[in-house]
Amino acid sequence: QQQVKQSPQSLIVQKGGISIINCAYENTAFDYFPWYQQFPGKGPALLIAIRPDVSEKKEGRFTISFNKSAKQFSLHIMDSQPGDSATYFCAALDRGKSTFGDGTTLTVKP
Amino acid sequence: DTGVSQDPRHKITKRGQNVTFRCDPISEHNRLYWYRQTLGQGPEFLTYFQNEAQLEKSRLLSDRFSAERPKGSFSTLEIQRTEQGDSAMYLCASSLSQGSHEQYFGPGTRLTVT
Repeated sequence: QQQVKQSPQSLIVQKGGISIINCAYENTAFDYFPWYQQFPGKGPALLIAIRPDVSEKKEGRFTISFNKSAKQFSLHIMDSQPGDSATYFCAALDRGKSTFGDGTTLTVKP
Repeated sequence: DTGVSQDPRHKITKRGQNVTFRCDPISEHNRLYWYRQTLGQGPEFLTYFQNEAQLEKSRLLSDRFSAERPKGSFSTLEIQRTEQGDSAMYLCASSLSQGSHEQYFGPGTRLTVT
């Protein structure tokens, strides 16, 4: 069963804080793990992605941590800003086909 | 051409009518995907194309749904005899097929079936 479980469903952090969103998967055939940011009424926008042979990837304030043995990966948003308030989706790809988590609604309070 | 475009952005139709959506991918991308997203959920895979060939269809895609990519460029998704359960955001994405799995999404078409 191809499934990606994402938590938490919603998250509230203070400006300047660290936002952490977690995902877990079962299918070991997944070979690419992106994170998307989505604002209301818009399509998902690719934020950052990682391959399973890498344990961490950092781009600006966004970091993915990947634990292949535990089949878990997480998104860390450092110095969270009100403009980061959005819904975040993790995804896992198998031969290009994406399976998405159910999303995390992030609210960053000023 | 700076991204994936979709048309229309919004469509309201009555139950039983047919609707067609269009997606124009990023010009050099040869893979094109269709997803459906309902409120509070992540996108669900429907189908994808490599150039003009439709390589996979989800079991979610009933016989009322058909997708084409006749010249390997733009794609259309048609829903026949729409039902209220078809109301959703229909998203298109594109990617290069070799060496990259980065998928870039369009803004989506919001379908409301009344």
